[in-house]
Amino acid sequence: KQEVTQIPAALSVPEGENLVLNCSFTDSAIYNLQWFRQDPGKGLTSLLLIQSSQREQTSGRLNASLDKSSGRSTLYIAASQPGDSATYLCAVMYRSSGSARQLTFGSGTQLTVLP
Amino acid sequence: NAGVTQTPKFQVLKTGQSMTLQCAQDMNHEYMSWYRQDPGMGLRLIHYSVGAGITDQGEVPNGYNVSRSTTEDFPLRLLSAAPSQTSVYFCASSSLSSYNEQFFGPGTRLTVL
Repeated sequence: KQEVTQIPAALSVPEGENLVLNCSFTDSAIYNLQWFRQDPGKGLTSLLLIQSSQREQTSGRLNASLDKSSGRSTLYIAASQPGDSATYLCAVMYRSSGSARQLTFGSGTQLTVLP
Repeated sequence: NAGVTQTPKFQVLKTGQSMTLQCAQDMNHEYMSWYRQDPGMGLRLIHYSVGAGITDQGEVPNGYNVSRSTTEDFPLRLLSAAPSQTSVYFCASSSLSSYNEQFFGPGTRLTVL
């Protein structure tokens, strides 16, 4: 079964720290990988999308990398702020999903940035 | 653009009742889908559509119906609600031109008693 794993499940850091969230997936045959942010009781906000042919994407203080051969992606957050506190979800679109374009989600990393 | 919108935000049903969760998008996206999010299970695909008049089942379709009469709207119908359908439901959309970013709505929190 194709899965997505996120470690750690929870992370607490002081404001200003740089941090890395990890995502691993079981099959290198993917179309893309997408990172989302989810605030408590809210929807999913798309942060970054990395296509299969790309190695990384950047948006502001966020940088996401993709290594298909090792089945890993990382989300780097620079100079963290309390407003970054949320659950971060990694989602993979495996090629086997076909026309369904199903995203397989990890269980998320709950990030708390302490002031 | 409003993006992907969902109504209602919250709903409580009794077992056996039916209801429709509404989803609309104003980005002219061909692809739309429904997911449910449950603790410990993550998000799972219920149904999806690649255009008006075209729908198909996802990973967990039982107990749900969908239709797609317009590009903008993709309602999800619960035919006879069961406590196992207590969940948070998210609608998503994307362009079909390539394997593009998917955009999610704010969700509907459903409780079935």
